[in-house]
Amino acid sequence: AQSVTQLDSQVPVFEEAPVELRCNYSSSVSVYLFWYVQYPNQGLQLLLKYLSGSTLVESINGFEAEFNKSQTSFHLRKPSVHISDTAEYFCAVNRNTGGFKTIFGAGTRLFVKA
Amino acid sequence: DTEVTQTPKHLVMGMTNKKSLKCEQHMGHRAMYWYKQKAKKPPELMFVYSYEKLSINESVPSRFSPECPNSSLLNLHLHALQPEDSALYLCASQFLAGGFNEQFFGPGTRLTVL
Repeated sequence: AQSVTQLDSQVPVFEEAPVELRCNYSSSVSVYLFWYVQYPNQGLQLLLKYLSGSTLVESINGFEAEFNKSQTSFHLRKPSVHISDTAEYFCAVNRNTGGFKTIFGAGTRLFVKA
Repeated sequence: DTEVTQTPKHLVMGMTNKKSLKCEQHMGHRAMYWYKQKAKKPPELMFVYSYEKLSINESVPSRFSPECPNSSLLNLHLHALQPEDSALYLCASQFLAGGFNEQFFGPGTRLTVL
């Protein structure tokens, strides 16, 4: 079975500061890893994913995440945040043998202050 | 068309009512999902349809009845709900070919049971 731990329930940060949202996973098999973002009163949007290949993955809006197999982590980073990045961020995993069950972390609320 | 649509956006119902939630996609995705999301929590999987057949039922109470009439449409029929069923109901879809693909989420239906 897989599990996902998001180490911070809330992360307050000032605008233009860097941020890191932490995600650790546990699995007895290889996994695919995802970060989803949920803005208030909206559904989830895929931010970025790691399926294979380069362990550093990037999104179009400046976020990046690095898959670290030895530390079983997939932390999300952004060098300079904007007010508009305020949202809930969910880390998630799927077995890389497929299957329909995505395991979500509890979520991290990123709050960007002016 | 690259989105998942859900109707209605908001729904208020009494415990004796019968209502339905609708989800639609025209991306050729052959897996469709229902999730329930309570405030400040991650989505919880309820049902998965694969090629219009029910593949997963996560022990959901029978007052929730899913239906997949065709490859583009997914319904969730509601009857005799309880106040604790109030939540955001999210639909998602997934392409089932060419390796693993991520889920696309709709904006959700905000359900209130009085």
